[in-house]
Amino acid sequence: KAGVTQTPRYLIKTRGQQVTLSCSPISGHRSVSWYQQTPGQGLQFLFEYFSETQRNKGNFPGRFSGRQFSNSRSEMNVSTLELGDSALYLCASSLVFRAGVGYNEQFFGPGTRLTVL
Amino acid sequence: AQSVTQLDSHVSVSEGTPVLLRCNYSSSYSPSLFWYVQHPNKGLQLLLKYTSAATLVKGINGFEAEFKKSETSFHLTKPSAHMSDAAEYFCVVSDQRAAGNKLTFGGGTRVLVKP
Repeated sequence: KAGVTQTPRYLIKTRGQQVTLSCSPISGHRSVSWYQQTPGQGLQFLFEYFSETQRNKGNFPGRFSGRQFSNSRSEMNVSTLELGDSALYLCASSLVFRAGVGYNEQFFGPGTRLTVL
Repeated sequence: AQSVTQLDSHVSVSEGTPVLLRCNYSSSYSPSLFWYVQHPNKGLQLLLKYTSAATLVKGINGFEAEFKKSETSFHLTKPSAHMSDAAEYFCVVSDQRAAGNKLTFGGGTRVLVKP
């Protein structure tokens, strides 16, 4: 099976622009989560999508948004970019998760490195 | 709320010697605990996971971790370090009760392996 793929791998944008990142989960995985990794804040949860619905959300401003399509592919969008948005954005996919059943392993993609100038 | 503290930001070991990476967690409910590894310019790879079965968990590449509820710890060990173990390691907690996936990461421990 192909792993989680993310495109593009690298992006350079300027302040005020917006950006869209894409994530294709492993075939059969319906949950997609996004994380931001920076040297200062470490790895932080952005949001999770399951069946085209946002199921969990982290503590990020409304400039960060996402969506999921019927084929489980997901995109995240950052509007009005700030210098502090420079980071590695990681996407992870997993099988359906049900509370109390146990945890389904999350598989991570290689990430998209965003640089904001 | 849940949180994870990795007690060492950097660990340096010689090749062939044991590795110990320390992790303490805080969780109000039954946690799932994980260790992930990240090699430079790569994504995260799961080393092992604890989900309320055996408290001693064996993972890939010779790593293992022991869940100690009384100490709220989940330390990662390996008997003999290899040069390829040089990477950053993350201890991660998740709430088993909650629907959906939300991982809370520790700050990471960067491992240096000396020849």
